[in-house]
Amino acid sequence: SQELEQSPQSLIVQEGKNLTINCTSSKTLYGLYWYKQKYGEGLIFLMMLQKGGEEKSHEKITAKLDEKKQQSSLHITASQPSHAGIYLCGADHMNRDDKIIFGKGTRLHILP
Amino acid sequence: DTGVSQDPRHKITKRGQNVTFRCDPISEHNRLYWYRQTLGQGPEFLTYFQNEAQLEKSRLLSDRFSAERPKGSFSTLEIQRTEQGDSAMYLCASSLMRGETQYFGPGTRLLVL
Repeated sequence: SQELEQSPQSLIVQEGKNLTINCTSSKTLYGLYWYKQKYGEGLIFLMMLQKGGEEKSHEKITAKLDEKKQQSSLHITASQPSHAGIYLCGADHMNRDDKIIFGKGTRLHILP
Repeated sequence: DTGVSQDPRHKITKRGQNVTFRCDPISEHNRLYWYRQTLGQGPEFLTYFQNEAQLEKSRLLSDRFSAERPKGSFSTLEIQRTEQGDSAMYLCASSLMRGETQYFGPGTRLLVL
């Protein structure tokens, strides 16, 4: 969706390296979701951010919401092969109920 | 396992046939959503239910598509007279209430020949 832009579209990193994925919304965010998807499978919930400046972490994955800029970043520290997959950000825009508008995803490959 | 479940996981059908998918949400979740995902794209919203009431339908949901949630528990999505363009992954999600996290099922992958 053009309402939500993710970058980069794909990413190849060496195992053990850090990486960052960005998500930018063209509209005001009520909530910002991060999901992970293995190829051909369903979405696994990672984190949801709602407050400006909010930062959440789960194991080696950290996500932050910059409400002023309507952006969020997902950072993975010391990447592992298990981190490989598609990372999707999803936006809950104000006044549009709570359906999620998704970006196209970032395809992450980890080289051993 | 108490997550969202979907059945079948894969479906191959011939153009013109009807297909029906089932979604069982997480117990006690009042909201149930259907999304469609094509190759290389993020999921796109189709419709959602608050208990048994269907509250919103996307423009993507043509007249050939119908969804039900008769008792406010499981839901079915039916596609009539399937077309090749219907080939996609159909994802179901559920949440406890508005604004709460949506948890997704494994999806049903449809291939229309």
